[in-house]
Formats: sequence, structure tokens, C-alpha cells
Amino acid sequence: GQQLNQSPQSMFIQEGEDVSMNCTSSSIFNTWLWYKQEPGEGPVLLIALYKAGELTSNGRLTAQFGITRKDSFLNISASIPSDVGIYFCAGHSKTSGSRLTFGEGTQLTVNP
Amino acid sequence: SAVISQKPSRDICQRGTSLTIQCQVDSQVTMMFWYRQQPGQSLTLIATANQGSEATYESGFVIDKFPISRPNLTFSTLTVSNMSPEDSSIYLCSVVQGSEQYFGPGTRLTVT
Repeated sequence: GQQLNQSPQSMFIQEGEDVSMNCTSSSIFNTWLWYKQEPGEGPVLLIALYKAGELTSNGRLTAQFGITRKDSFLNISASIPSDVGIYFCAGHSKTSGSRLTFGEGTQLTVNP
Repeated sequence: SAVISQKPSRDICQRGTSLTIQCQVDSQVTMMFWYRQQPGQSLTLIATANQGSEATYESGFVIDKFPISRPNLTFSTLTVSNMSPEDSSIYLCSVVQGSEQYFGPGTRLTVT
């Protein structure tokens, strides 16, 4: 099936630092979604992207839909302790229809 | 965004027994899905719950093991049958609203 390669697997940063994570695929994707999951919770949608080249912000978060439609990145600026969690990329490919494909997740730890 | 609740939030079950998980949405939705998230892993789609017809299962998942009901556009159940320790996971209900996909809080299942 479709696979999304998400990196890095984990990040340990100091409060105030900026963070960047990305997802790549060998196939073309029609949508990219970024989720955050905290312990004991379900994933929460952060940003949704629908067009190649689209750049969207949500507070300190910025995500872009790659121009090739095979990648996306998520940036977090000026990180704070509550940014801790697992961040997942997900997307709809041409062949997956309504089914979302998920990346493996990036575990973010922010040290105060 | 859709508000999704799941019951139970967690359970500890003995092997060989079955557990039924309920998912309730605060609005009518066409697309509803069930996912599994094994410890430390990403999300894997189990099936699409179709209203008024049999669920559509992904490769590796079968109806006898994971029977699903979808009696209306706001409710669905997933049963994990004849459980074994390998079924210990978080089970998540998910819905599509507009062009975005949302997740419930999950049911954390431990099988002893």
C-alpha cells in the first residue's frame, strides 16, 4: 500500500527553538493533513492542505503542500512545553480514495 | 468540527472474550472509519463503516474478528472478538466532515 516517510522520528529541543518535520512519498497526494496526538487522546487536526504549493498557518504552526505533490512539511516556531506530543502527517493519494495514509509520526519533546 | 465520543475510554479484558466499542458523533456524517493504533505505532485503518450495508475491511482485517455496525449516520460500533494479547491497542473512530477528517478520543484496550 501507500507509504509516507516521516522524519525525523523524534526531536528533543529547548523551549523557544523552531522545529521542522516533513513527509515524503513516492506517489502523488491530493491532500495533506497534519495531526498532533497527546498521550491518552486521539489525533487532533492542526492544518489541512489541498493545493500544490499551498502554504497555511495556524498560530505558530506553518505547513506547506510540496510543489511536486509528493511531500509536505510542518514548522513550529518558538516552541513551548505544551507543543510536546506526536505529530503525524497524513494524506489522500490518487489511489487511496477516501482512505487516509499516515506517516509514522514525529515524537517532539520540548525542554523548558 | 465534528465532536466524537467513544465508550468505553479504556478496558482491561481477558483473552477469549469480546468487547464492543461505541462511537457517537454530534452530527450526521457519511464517512466513518475505525482505526487501530498499536503501542508506539502509527494509525492503521481497520475498515470503513457503511451506513445500511456491510463494512469495507482493509487487507489483514476480517469481519469475523472485527464486526462493525452502522445503524445510522451518527453512530457505529466495533467489536473486537475472541481477543488475544496482540489485540491490545488503541481503537479510534474517525469521521469526515467537509474535506477534513476528525478522530475520537480512542478506546485503550488491554488484553491479559
